[in-house]
Amino acid sequence: DAMVIQNPRYQVTQFGKPVTLSCSQTLNHNVMYWYQQKSSQAPKLLFHYYDKDFNNEADTPDNFQSRRPNTSFCFLDIRSPGLGDAAMYLCATSTGHLYEQYFGPGTRLTVT
Amino acid sequence: AQKITQTQPGMFVQEKEAVTLDCTYDTSDPSYGLFWYKQPSSGEMIFLIYQGSYDQQNATEGRYSLNFQKARKSANLVISASQLGDSAMYFCAMREANAGGTSYGKLTFGQGTILTVHP
Repeated sequence: DAMVIQNPRYQVTQFGKPVTLSCSQTLNHNVMYWYQQKSSQAPKLLFHYYDKDFNNEADTPDNFQSRRPNTSFCFLDIRSPGLGDAAMYLCATSTGHLYEQYFGPGTRLTVT
Repeated sequence: AQKITQTQPGMFVQEKEAVTLDCTYDTSDPSYGLFWYKQPSSGEMIFLIYQGSYDQQNATEGRYSLNFQKARKSANLVISASQLGDSAMYFCAMREANAGGTSYGKLTFGQGTILTVHP
């Protein structure tokens, strides 16, 4: 089945230790998104790619970076995780403008 | 101003009954899309239903229907014949067609409603 896959589902990292979360899709969608969702809150968009064009949200901290080496894969790099970065990180894809986004199962990040 | 407002932090419904989850939105863009997502405790966001601003009829998908009242800027989700598996957080979201620049493709989410289905 075509889908959005996120690995790992659970990630524990130490304060200040770089961590990378990955997302892959078999839907061949143009757009890939990364969201951060803290407990009991709505998802917050960090950035997205339309094909190779990267769009960063104005309030996304510099600590968060992303890479999209090809259509199928997108990575979220947190250079120096702080305790406040503990959250669920959701990857989503869509075919483009105004269409529904399909989400992966998320990666729950714990920072110790 | 909030673009998406979900006024019900929590809702309870008896199994097999219908339930309505409220959502109001605010936009000056004539072209927009409204979405409902379900998020179980496992965390994944499941797309339920979509309504375009120019759609003449209310969207339906199985047990889900969207009560779209454009003049009132409301897009309530109706779940018929509730099941225990419907217990989850529900998010209403909007995408504006003419949100340019870095807002391209951006979904704005409401704060969510936790639905609990009782047996």
